[in-house]
Amino acid sequence: NAGVMQNPRHLVRRRGQEARLRCSPVKGHSHVYWYRQLPEEGLKFMVYLQKENIIDESGMPKERFSAEFPKEGPSILRIQQVVRGDSAAYFCASSWDMKAEAFFGQGTRLTVV
Amino acid sequence: KNEVEQSPQNLTAQEGEFITINCSYSVGISALHWLQQHPGGGIVSLFMLSSGKKKHGRLIATINIQEKHSSLHITASHPRDSAVYICAVRSNTGNQFYFGTGTSLTVIP
Repeated sequence: NAGVMQNPRHLVRRRGQEARLRCSPVKGHSHVYWYRQLPEEGLKFMVYLQKENIIDESGMPKERFSAEFPKEGPSILRIQQVVRGDSAAYFCASSWDMKAEAFFGQGTRLTVV
Repeated sequence: KNEVEQSPQNLTAQEGEFITINCSYSVGISALHWLQQHPGGGIVSLFMLSSGKKKHGRLIATINIQEKHSSLHITASHPRDSAVYICAVRSNTGNQFYFGTGTSLTVIP
């Protein structure tokens, strides 16, 4: 990995709380992708962002989920009013160009109790 | 039907064996990635391919664009190669990755 940092690595939330997952892309990368890996399932695309813009959010649930990638700072995936079904590993990846190699972070494992 | 199909789903090999994992896809792509995920761990990108063949140490990845097929080979397999190997394709619209369900490899000493 070339330095995609996700934090926290593990996050426990009670039902109804908010979860904020952060992704700092590789320095110089302006493209960020978020993916979700549900238990015993494969990775699924959620959202693709460039700096300050959401390009494709077709994989993101319409309610309770939002993502941003501000001009300064990390990309944030926000889940409001979490439910047990949100428990999963959330990965982000970054690239400097839409056709360039993507580098993945270590993931944030969200557990909703 | 998934956009990306991998085989086999599970693979057990003896140390030293030559291993092949296959990936077929049905969408137009700009690139194909082979990823490695250790249990409870993060994801490491092993290769990105848009044509031909790449080699890194004991790992070799090939892609046939016309047949929409890629293979990942591991020569002289070792227990530390035990992991889930995931094939991911980047659609040629650039917006999405599609992932295979992964091949769980166990290499026995």
